[in-house]
Amino acid sequence: DAKTTQPPSMDCAEGRAANLPCNHSTISGNEYVYWYRQIHSQGPQYIIHGLKNNETNEMASLIITEDRKSSTLILPHATLRDTAVYYCIVRVATNAGKSTFGDGTTLTVKP
Amino acid sequence: SAVISQKPSRDICQRGTSLTIQCQVDSQVTMMFWYRQQPGQSLTLIATANQGSEATYESGFVIDKFPISRPNLTFSTLTVSNMSPEDSSIYLCSVGQNQPQHFGDGTRLSIL
Repeated sequence: DAKTTQPPSMDCAEGRAANLPCNHSTISGNEYVYWYRQIHSQGPQYIIHGLKNNETNEMASLIITEDRKSSTLILPHATLRDTAVYYCIVRVATNAGKSTFGDGTTLTVKP
Repeated sequence: SAVISQKPSRDICQRGTSLTIQCQVDSQVTMMFWYRQQPGQSLTLIATANQGSEATYESGFVIDKFPISRPNLTFSTLTVSNMSPEDSSIYLCSVGQNQPQHFGDGTRLSIL
């Protein structure tokens, strides 16, 4: 699995968009970008994933650069309940269970 | 998405004892995965459990310390053997081979 780099922490005002960056400069052509989050005392929760096109679901949007070396997870209207550690993971889809978790980004949403 | 239940949710154990953690999934899955999350750290994969075969362990983890059973396609157990304070962690079960992973809420284990 490709290595990812994320900022250790970020703050966001409640109601504003939270933009979480991830660098994955060594990503291979068949590797997807997955995002998970872990709220305190819970297991990681799947958010979204993509290969090269931008993706959107009910939770978030994923923007992947054209060269695929970086991506941004966007929470459009952050709430206090979005405070969590966010993990960006790069891996092939068929190896989905064997994820290499980095240290992630601790997002704190403030009132 | 799969619903994963783990038991117990937490436990406090004496050093030298063993504890078996159970993981139940609401659908049949080929592979189940066990992770460890040490205090303040990220997740580390312990092993992959396939039904009908021995588990595959990652570097740094051995079967004698973390024996795993996989009796059917919806259930697995992880045993933490001969526990020491260094084993105090959250142990998480996960599924999702060809699709996004899903995790249980983990077993929070403290060893005195």
